Amino acid sequence: GAVVSQHPSRVICKSGTSVKIECRSLDFQATTMFWYRQFPKQSLMLMATSNEGSKATYEQGVEKDKFLINHASLTLSTLTVTSAHPEDSSFYICSAKGLAGSYEQYFGPGTRLTVT
Amino acid sequence: AQSVSQHNHHVILSEAASLELGCNYSYGGTVNLFWYVQYPGQHLQLLLKYFSGDPLVKGIKGFEAEFIKSKFSFNLRKPSVQWSDTAEYFCAVSAFYGGSQGNLIFGKGTKLSVKP
Repeated sequence: GAVVSQHPSRVICKSGTSVKIECRSLDFQATTMFWYRQFPKQSLMLMATSNEGSKATYEQGVEKDKFLINHASLTLSTLTVTSAHPEDSSFYICSAKGLAGSYEQYFGPGTRLTVT
Repeated sequence: AQSVSQHNHHVILSEAASLELGCNYSYGGTVNLFWYVQYPGQHLQLLLKYFSGDPLVKGIKGFEAEFIKSKFSFNLRKPSVQWSDTAEYFCAVSAFYGGSQGNLIFGKGTKLSVKP
């Protein structure tokens, strides 16, 4: 149990376009979902936390107008990178936490975004 | 601010050697502690976790970790590594503030290469 999927696994887009990444909890309801960005040889950096039905909470330094997060249901969150630039190229990982009081997060396989 | 330090960036071992990966965190209060593993091309998987109780925690695949509160450490160990343990290992900590769990903070990761 506790499987999280991401789609797409890889995406290449042109500079200036927008890209949407989906994160789904397949066998549990995720009250909270997290979006991370992982740079090569570095740690996962939390970008934002989203709770179903409410606005996402962004970490300091993350542009909320550039990285749009929607958590419309208990099994789906989306991250849209708007007006992508080459420096947005990275590995984006989502995770999901179950019901309130659950301390574990389950991670998706990640999405490799390349902006040309 | 809370931080997590992993001392080794890259560890190279031969099969059957013993492994210890260091992890230290900077928070004096209650914490939940995690070790995650990321095999090449795969997503993050939970190896083991500590919430409370016995400070020596056993995880999957023969891994264990010991929480030493006085040293703010949660080192990962395995008595005899295998080639299949080649992966990147991340220590993560989530602190409790006023009874609420904070976000997961990750260390920078340690890449383990096991020579057959």
